[in-house]
Amino acid sequence: DTGVSQNPRHKITKRGQNVTFRCDPISEHNRLYWYRQTLGQGPEFLTYFQNEAQLEKSRLLSDRFSAERPKGSFSTLEIQRTEQGDSAMYLCASSRPGASYNEQFFGPGTRLTVL
Amino acid sequence: AQSVTQLDSHVSVSEGTPVLLRCNYSSSYSPSLFWYVQHPNKGLQLLLKYTSAATLVKGINGFEAEFKKSETSFHLTKPSAHMSDAAEYFCVVRGSGAGSYQLTFGKGTKLSVIP
Repeated sequence: DTGVSQNPRHKITKRGQNVTFRCDPISEHNRLYWYRQTLGQGPEFLTYFQNEAQLEKSRLLSDRFSAERPKGSFSTLEIQRTEQGDSAMYLCASSRPGASYNEQFFGPGTRLTVL
Repeated sequence: AQSVTQLDSHVSVSEGTPVLLRCNYSSSYSPSLFWYVQHPNKGLQLLLKYTSAATLVKGINGFEAEFKKSETSFHLTKPSAHMSDAAEYFCVVRGSGAGSYQLTFGKGTKLSVIP
């Protein structure tokens, strides 16, 4: 079990630039989640995939944000025209198929700093 | 909507003394509640979960939590703190219906353990 991996671990960008993060879930997990964690706060749900289908999106996910999961394996989260308020830790989690709720396993996160 | 409130942002204990991290929940239905721990530069890890079975839930590393419906509480305890317990702890509630895969996190409690 190699766990959930995220790349890059850190990203520094200038306001207005586009950034893309990648998440590789645990191999047999068909469910994948994205969360955002700002300083001093708990993670906030952004979106959820079951296989390649994006089933839930938070109102936090503005039109500058887009997530994909082609072929139901890895996922990418893109932020266009970044703003300083986008600075946060972006967390990915995955869970296995089966019951209505299974434990979500989290990756180490990608820390984004927008200058 | 469901939510959790962590009553302390920071708790400091001496090694070998008991730990108490407090969490109150708000939910219009019988909730599923969790405690996650986040060590620096590591992913969130599930400590324990309550899903309407036994009200006293035992987790990893000697932690346990008791679900008290009358008090709408789900406090996390450990009889004897260890230096390795120093981390941030999050109380979490699962969504319902279409949002049942969403986790809603509290703001976190940072636990410091004094040698």
